[in-house]
Amino acid sequence: SSELTQDPVVSVALGQTVRITCQGDSLRTYYASWYQQKPGQAPVLVIFANTNRPSGIPDRFSGSNSGNTASLTITGAQAEDEADYYCSSRDASAWVWVFGGGTKLTVL
Amino acid sequence: QVHLVQSGAEVKKPGASVMVSCKASGYTFTNHWMHWVRQAPGQGLEWMGVINPNDIRTLYAQKFQGRITLTRDMSTSTFYMELTSLRSDDTAVYYCARDHSENDRGWWFDPWGQGTLVTVSS
Repeated sequence: SSELTQDPVVSVALGQTVRITCQGDSLRTYYASWYQQKPGQAPVLVIFANTNRPSGIPDRFSGSNSGNTASLTITGAQAEDEADYYCSSRDASAWVWVFGGGTKLTVL
Repeated sequence: QVHLVQSGAEVKKPGASVMVSCKASGYTFTNHWMHWVRQAPGQGLEWMGVINPNDIRTLYAQKFQGRITLTRDMSTSTFYMELTSLRSDDTAVYYCARDHSENDRGWWFDPWGQGTLVTVSS
């Protein structure tokens, strides 16, 4: 099955911009979605179909996809954005779904 | 408002089975597939399988084939995940998550249930 690769740890200064990336062959064909997970809580959808933001998600969150790399960008990171972020897509060759290993975002 | 409410924590012995439920409300039950995802302590998210509530067609991750069964009860709008032959490394929080799809190119999970902790210990 396909794999999605994320950097394990990323940090950003308060108010600055950070990009979290997700690489995998499946992203050439299928859209990425992104999930935010805070300690002890269930994941929350923050981006779907590469670039779309659900209602209620702040507009500082945006997504993009180029080739085999999807990106989640937080423009003006806030303290409450400190969390784990996971990307997901369908597998490139089978009807199964995969998650990236997750990125722990620290806001300094 | 869409809600997914899962059953409570379970403690099981190795070799036993566990069944976790996920009661859906706030939408038409048959309009969305339901995925199951688990998360071991301190680890990432792991996709387990999905069920189509219309025809009960299921798709499972190869890792769980033969041990997992997804079902649904339309009369109560409830989904079920049963995992058999439990091992200590099945200790995890198990989530249900509603499926959305677009153009056969995009799928996403929203919302998620609150999670059910399953502990496997002798």
